[in-house]
Amino acid sequence: DIQMTQSPSTLSASVGDRVAITCRASQSISSWLAWYQQKPGRAPNLLIYKASSLDTGVPSRFSGSGSGTEFTLTISSLQPDDFATYYCQQYNSYSRTFGPGTKVEIK
Amino acid sequence: QVHLVESGGGVVQPGRSLRLSCVASGFTFRNYGMHWVRQAPGKGLEWVAVIWSAVSNIYYAESVKGRFTISRDNSKNMLYLQMDSLRAEDTAVYYCVRDSDNGNYHFDYWGQGTLVTVSS
Repeated sequence: DIQMTQSPSTLSASVGDRVAITCRASQSISSWLAWYQQKPGRAPNLLIYKASSLDTGVPSRFSGSGSGTEFTLTISSLQPDDFATYYCQQYNSYSRTFGPGTKVEIK
Repeated sequence: QVHLVESGGGVVQPGRSLRLSCVASGFTFRNYGMHWVRQAPGKGLEWVAVIWSAVSNIYYAESVKGRFTISRDNSKNMLYLQMDSLRAEDTAVYYCVRDSDNGNYHFDYWGQGTLVTVSS
């Protein structure tokens, strides 16, 4: 199986900050990567697919980049609604794997 | 709009069985791959299984292979997960998830989940 890692595991930031989360795959996954946001007690919500494509209705402050084995989710100006846990997920192989998650906390 | 509603969760003893169901609405169910994804309490997300829109393609995570069976009834817009030989480590919220296409792409819609607790 393809292993996914994320860094940092926790990120403390303030409203208005620019934040970046890194996701790495154990082998090349081309651009077959998605990012999801999850708030406590809720189902995850799709943000980005194919590494850099913004899902419908997702604010433009979210962006994704990367290909191969290294990817980044960037939030250009953190808003109160953005404090949540973020997961990357590869879909290069039929056996899907998620990263362990990055919790974005209020500083 | 797309709506996915899971049911069938509950408390079950180790070694016993449970069947989860998911009713889909708001889209042409037979045209989309469907997945089950689970999340143990306080933990991250784990993909469990996928059934493609072409039902001949079914895949499982190694952790459930041989114990869980995914199936679908396109005439009823239903997705199922038959879980046998349950273990304590299967305790989790189970989400019904739509693939954005035939079963080989990203996940675009999630249900709210149903909690399965395996405990004696």
